[in-house]
Amino acid sequence: NAGVTQTPKFQVLKTGQSMTLQCAQDMNHEYMSWYRQDPGMGLRLIHYSVGAGITDQGEVPNGYNVSRSTTEDFPLRLLSAAPSQTSVYFCASSYGLAGGGSLYEQYFGPGTRLTVT
Amino acid sequence: ILNVEQSPQSLHVQEGDSTNFTCSFPSSNFYALHWYRWETAKSPEALFVMTLNGDEKKKGRISATLNTKEGYSYLYIKGSQPEDSATYLCAQVAGYALNFGKGTSLLVTP
Repeated sequence: NAGVTQTPKFQVLKTGQSMTLQCAQDMNHEYMSWYRQDPGMGLRLIHYSVGAGITDQGEVPNGYNVSRSTTEDFPLRLLSAAPSQTSVYFCASSYGLAGGGSLYEQYFGPGTRLTVT
Repeated sequence: ILNVEQSPQSLHVQEGDSTNFTCSFPSSNFYALHWYRWETAKSPEALFVMTLNGDEKKKGRISATLNTKEGYSYLYIKGSQPEDSATYLCAQVAGYALNFGKGTSLLVTP
């Protein structure tokens, strides 16, 4: 199993550009989530999904969109990049039917380091 | 948003020392608490998921205890080794989400 994969590893964007961060998992996990990690702030939840077709907002959702058309993939879209979105982004997944994913250990991807100039 | 606090922020110990750090969380509506180990340039890896008051879990030289009534969990490392150097995160389950603390950064020097 590849586990949780994220692409790209690094990205530089100009203010106002849009892009999609890819996340995929091959463990048939129902629960997937996106976090951003900023110095001194810890991991903050952006969006999560409890299954295909179901997504919801986390603590810091503004400026980001997600969709979950398949169990395997959970892309994160930046609509119009801003310098405040410079961060390291982690995707995670876990078991958990019926929305219980947060009760199980999370498997994290390797992260995407994004810089917005 | 639940307020999860970790202390100390950082810790520097010598190889062979035993150490512990604390995760504090709101005790009302408790579901579960996670502990993760996060090495530099890698991604967080799960250590424990704890749900029951009084629970104690162990993985090698690392163990954790949980007190849901008073809202704290301790992580212990016995006989620290340089490879234990990492940031240790705790996270409280809040419905469908996890709220992470800012972590304790541990440095173990030979």
